[in-house]
Amino acid sequence: NAGVTQTPKFRVLKTGQSMTLLCAQDMNHEYMYWYRQDPGMGLRLIHYSVGEGTTAKGEVPDGYNVSRLKKQNFLLGLESAAPSQTSVYFCASSFSDYGYTFGSGTRLTVV
Amino acid sequence: GIQVEQSPPDLILQEGANSTLRCNFSDSVNNLQWFHQNPWGQLINLFYIPSGTKQNGRLSATTVATERYSLLYISSSQTTDSGVYFCAVVYSGGGADGLTFGKGTHLIIQP
Repeated sequence: NAGVTQTPKFRVLKTGQSMTLLCAQDMNHEYMYWYRQDPGMGLRLIHYSVGEGTTAKGEVPDGYNVSRLKKQNFLLGLESAAPSQTSVYFCASSFSDYGYTFGSGTRLTVV
Repeated sequence: GIQVEQSPPDLILQEGANSTLRCNFSDSVNNLQWFHQNPWGQLINLFYIPSGTKQNGRLSATTVATERYSLLYISSSQTTDSGVYFCAVVYSGGGADGLTFGKGTHLIIQP
């Protein structure tokens, strides 16, 4: 099925560990985004990409890095996980500035 | 950055009731979207509506861009309408830097 696929769906990390979240889309979208959602909050933009090989910082980029080596993939890395990064992470893609498609989310707990 | 405020924050209704959700934004936008996050966490795009009125079944939305607000109407509510409704915008004076979300309206439809 066409859409946005996020892996993994759940993960528990210890403080200081690193990990990479993978987002893959098969709709040939140019734009891809990583958001985090915390209880009682809307989604906040971490990083985004407007095309292969490009990345840019969003509202809350500290502690995260991203890469877009292939058009269909957008990776989010946590260099040294902290409890404040416990959240649900959503990836999204869009053809232009409308028609967003979101993945099903990754629930990350840092202990 | 642009501010997005949604009201009410919480809403409990009986099945069959109608409701109006409001989204106010602090600056001009070239993109406004409404999303429904179901109880399983999935985000579904309801409307792309930077201006004007659209309808899709029991749902309709109106954006008055000059007055910086949008309304989402839900008629004849069903229990499956429960979840969180988010308004999200893109500031017209910025780049392709993704959607800015409000904190959402948590809607509970009781049978």
